Amino acid sequence: GNSVTQMEGPVTLSEEAFLTINCTYTATGYPSLFWYVQYPGEGLQLLLKATKADDKGSNKGFEATYRKETTSFHLEKGSVQVSDSAVYFCALNPNAGGTSYGKLTFGQGTILTVHP
Amino acid sequence: DGGITQSPKYLFRKEGQNVTLSCEQNLNHDAMYWYRQDPGQGLRLIYYSQIVNDFQKGDIAEGYSVSREKKESFPLTVTSAQKNPTAFYLCASSMGRGLAEAFFGQGTRLTVV
Repeated sequence: GNSVTQMEGPVTLSEEAFLTINCTYTATGYPSLFWYVQYPGEGLQLLLKATKADDKGSNKGFEATYRKETTSFHLEKGSVQVSDSAVYFCALNPNAGGTSYGKLTFGQGTILTVHP
Repeated sequence: DGGITQSPKYLFRKEGQNVTLSCEQNLNHDAMYWYRQDPGQGLRLIYYSQIVNDFQKGDIAEGYSVSREKKESFPLTVTSAQKNPTAFYLCASSMGRGLAEAFFGQGTRLTVV
């Protein structure tokens, strides 16, 4: 079946530090991959996405590259801010662009705390 | 503005009562989903619907029921059969074919008192 594995948190960083949150996946075919962010007490917001191998998704200084050879989609940011403190979820849609509707499969989430 | 609206934001339920959570979207999306989130855990799929008048069980459907009478609406009922209903519930929708991301509502926090 499909699955997503994220690095365990929580992750605690100082402001302006470099961020990496690892994400690996298992899926048949060619899934689309996503990073979502959840701020306290709120729903999930799409942060970035990639729909095919070697695509790089980017938004708000965050980046992730779809690596089919390593089945990975690691999230990176060069310089984090206090306002980036949130929970980050990696997810996949196994049937994007196909003939069936896909259900999103989520990782367990990684809590990020950034200190001033 | 287009989006997904969940209501209420906070809900309290007495043990043994059924309660219904509302989810409405004006994005013209075909597919809608309900997820449950417990503290420190990821999202678990309760039910999903790909088209009006059709829905399927997700991974943790026991103790829940849904309906999809209109494209815009996908209410979730938490029944008395759900043994541990206290959680954060998230509704989402997606276009489905070819447009893969899901859009989420702000969530409903249900507490059993």
